[in-house]
Amino acid sequence: KQEVTQIPAALSVPEGENLVLNCSFTDSAIYNLQWFRQDPGKGLTSLLLIQSSQREQTSGRLNASLDKSSGRSTLYIAASQPGDSATYLCAVRGGSGTYKYIFGTGTRLKVLA
Amino acid sequence: GAGVSQTPSNKVTEKGKYVELRCDPISGHTALYWYRQSLGQGPEFLIYFQGTGAADDSGLPNDRFFAVRPEGSVSTLKIQRTERGDSAVYLCASSPQGPQDTQYFGPGTRLTVL
Repeated sequence: KQEVTQIPAALSVPEGENLVLNCSFTDSAIYNLQWFRQDPGKGLTSLLLIQSSQREQTSGRLNASLDKSSGRSTLYIAASQPGDSATYLCAVRGGSGTYKYIFGTGTRLKVLA
Repeated sequence: GAGVSQTPSNKVTEKGKYVELRCDPISGHTALYWYRQSLGQGPEFLIYFQGTGAADDSGLPNDRFFAVRPEGSVSTLKIQRTERGDSAVYLCASSPQGPQDTQYFGPGTRLTVL
């Protein structure tokens, strides 16, 4: 059974710092992995989607890497800003035969001005 | 363009009642997902539609939960004989063609069962 873990559960950093959020999954047979952001009381916003054949994706100040063999993904945020404060969630879709996405419990990020 | 919309935004009901939650996906998106999210948790997959058909309903917790998408656009999640444990935020997401694409989420419906 696929399980997704995110560490740390919460993180508080000063503005301008570079930071790394971690996501690990127990079954390496995944189809893809997505990183999302969720603001309080809101739905999720997709940040980056990495297909199983890819190693990384970049969008602006965000870079996500994927290491399937070790069951890990990292989200790197450069030059953090107060507007980056949110909960960051990763989700994996299992291999062939399933359309189910399994989410981690998220990392709650606070960037201090 | 318009994003995914969900109605109502809040629903309060009594234990044992029937509720319907509606999702309007982005126009032209063939794939639609339902999730539910409890406080402090990540979303939990419920069901996935490709067009009009439920391609994967393995996340529905029991037979009190049912979802339809009769014309391949709007979807309704139906919960019979609601229980207090059904209280959660129910999220809908759509994607252009399928699970290989980015998912676009709606704002959710907060369901409270008293």
